[in-house]
Parts: sequence; structure tokens; C-alpha cells
Amino acid sequence: RKEVEQDPGPFNVPEGATVAFNCTYSNSASQSFFWYRQDCRKEPKLLMSVYSSGNEDGRFTAQLNRASQYISLLIRDSKLSDSATYLCVVPSGGYNKLIFGAGTRLAVHP
Amino acid sequence: DGGITQSPKYLFRKEGQNVTLSCEQNLNHDAMYWYRQDPGQGLRLIYYSQIVNDFQKGDIAEGYSVSREKKESFPLTVTSAQKNPTAFYLCASSISADSNQPQHFGDGTRLSIL
Repeated sequence: RKEVEQDPGPFNVPEGATVAFNCTYSNSASQSFFWYRQDCRKEPKLLMSVYSSGNEDGRFTAQLNRASQYISLLIRDSKLSDSATYLCVVPSGGYNKLIFGAGTRLAVHP
Repeated sequence: DGGITQSPKYLFRKEGQNVTLSCEQNLNHDAMYWYRQDPGQGLRLIYYSQIVNDFQKGDIAEGYSVSREKKESFPLTVTSAQKNPTAFYLCASSISADSNQPQHFGDGTRLSIL
């Protein structure tokens, strides 16, 4: 099993739709998780940190299921500007080593 | 403005040449990292430094070298031993090497072979 797995997509959704991405991880000892957003040919930018069961920030909700070892990202009322690749990131190891998923691509259309 | 600055934005390497990518941060972060991203793949860790004057190999360190003589600076040298250097190189930093800390990225350097 890969350390972090994501559905590569693309997810093509209309504006206003609700879309959810899942991410599974293999290291059961991981305590904190992150979602990053990466636009085409740009650097990843931190979207949300998840330290307990979940986190909500406006239209974005991240949920953590430790028993099943997955985290999800829910985007409500999608905007055209949400089009990007969303990276699931899980710490692994004793130092601050982050394992990056390959990303899920989202395309929001009018 | 506080942040992480990478330079140059684009770099071309000739056969047998070593090139150095610059990374500077003014966030007063202890830990710094170098990643490589290839198309359609996740980021892979090349080297990391938990504190000044210390650095460790990541998962794909062969063909690369780093130094950490100053807290603000973590340059990466891509040596001629790296046979497939074409990639997007990203530098990151975090407050500390604590695994609960997110990492923040510079805007990257694209390296290509001439």
C-alpha cells in the first residue's frame, strides 16, 4: 500500500456544485494532516491543517477518519477559482517529513 | 514581506555542469527542505535541515548536495552525477522540525537540460 493515495481525477464539476476528495494513508501513527492546493506550474499552498477529527474553513471542510485511515476534503458551492490540484499530505517518520500525495485535479466549469 | 524566495525561476544545465539553486527565507524558521516534483507525481524529498549547520538526506539525495551555513539560506547544488535533473524544484521551510508543523513553499525553480 502506498503511504498516501489519492484519486487523480480529474473531477469536472459545474459552478455551485459540492465535491469531495478522499485520501488514504498507511501510517497509523500520523497525528496531523494537511491539504495543500497547487495551481498549474505553481508552488503548493497550505489550504487546511487537520489535527483532530476535522476542520472547517468557509466552504472547505476536512474530515479525518483514523479507524479507516482516510481524510477527506469537501468543497461546497464550487467556484471557477477552485480549479486546481489538491494535495493530501501526511507526516511520516520522527522528523518533519511530509509525504505528499500525487494530487487530485479539480476543474470547475461555468 | 515575509516569505521564501527561490532563484532563479528557470535554469538550464549543460552536460557535466553543476548548478546551484538558491533558497532564502526571512520567516525565522529553523527547518528547511528541498523537494523535486516531476509531472503527475507527488513531491519527493531530496534533503532537509532541521537546524543551521545540520542537514540530512531525504529519499532521493543521490546527485545532489546542500549546505546550511546560515539559518536563512539553504542552497541546493545539482551535480553532474544527477542524470535526470529536469524537474520542478521546490524549497520549503517550517517553524521547527516538529511533524505537526506545516511547511511553506517558495515559488520554485524549473531546471532543464540543454
